[in-house]
Amino acid sequence: ETGVTQSPTHLIKTRGQQVTLRCSSQSGHNTVSWYQQALGQGPQFIFQYYREEENGRGNFPPRFSGLQFPNYSSELNVNALELDDSALYLCASSSDLQDELFFGSGTQLSVL
Amino acid sequence: AQSVTQLDSQVPVFEEAPVELRCNYSSSVSVYLFWYVQYPNQGLQLLLKYLSGSTLVESINGFEAEFNKSQTSFHLRKPSVHISDTAEYFCAVSEGTGANNLFFGTGTRLTVIP
Repeated sequence: ETGVTQSPTHLIKTRGQQVTLRCSSQSGHNTVSWYQQALGQGPQFIFQYYREEENGRGNFPPRFSGLQFPNYSSELNVNALELDDSALYLCASSSDLQDELFFGSGTQLSVL
Repeated sequence: AQSVTQLDSQVPVFEEAPVELRCNYSSSVSVYLFWYVQYPNQGLQLLLKYLSGSTLVESINGFEAEFNKSQTSFHLRKPSVHISDTAEYFCAVSEGTGANNLFFGTGTRLTVIP
């Protein structure tokens, strides 16, 4: 059974650019959640996708957007990058809305 | 609004000594409570969870946590720590919507000293 995989592992961008992060959910999982973990902080909920539809959103601006594909993999897109967007971005999948989250190792994004 | 407070950002402890990592939460509704562990350069792993029933929950590697509704706490304990327990520990809460949409504390760095 393959776990949650994220790509790339590290990424460097400059302010104002756009970035796309990718996540492959664990086999059999239909729910994907994205979290942002700033240095020294706990993860913060960005949004969740359930069967290709957004199913909840945290306190993040609209320039943070996402997609979930028919195979339940997911993308996180961030437009107009700001320095404060530098963080570890974690993807988590679950087999349903009420079940345990399984986290990937994350994508470390640095905005210069 | 919900919030989670982890009172200690760093906890150093000698090997084989007991440890307690503190977690308090604030919520106006029923909650589900979790402890996650994060090893260096890895994602989060679920350590244990309280959903309902017995207020004392245990993990397979010797950790336990007790849900105390009157004190709104969910402290994590282990009677004897190992070097391999060195990691970052996060307490998290979910407000009645199941195990998703977690709200995390800021984490406690546990360092086990040989």
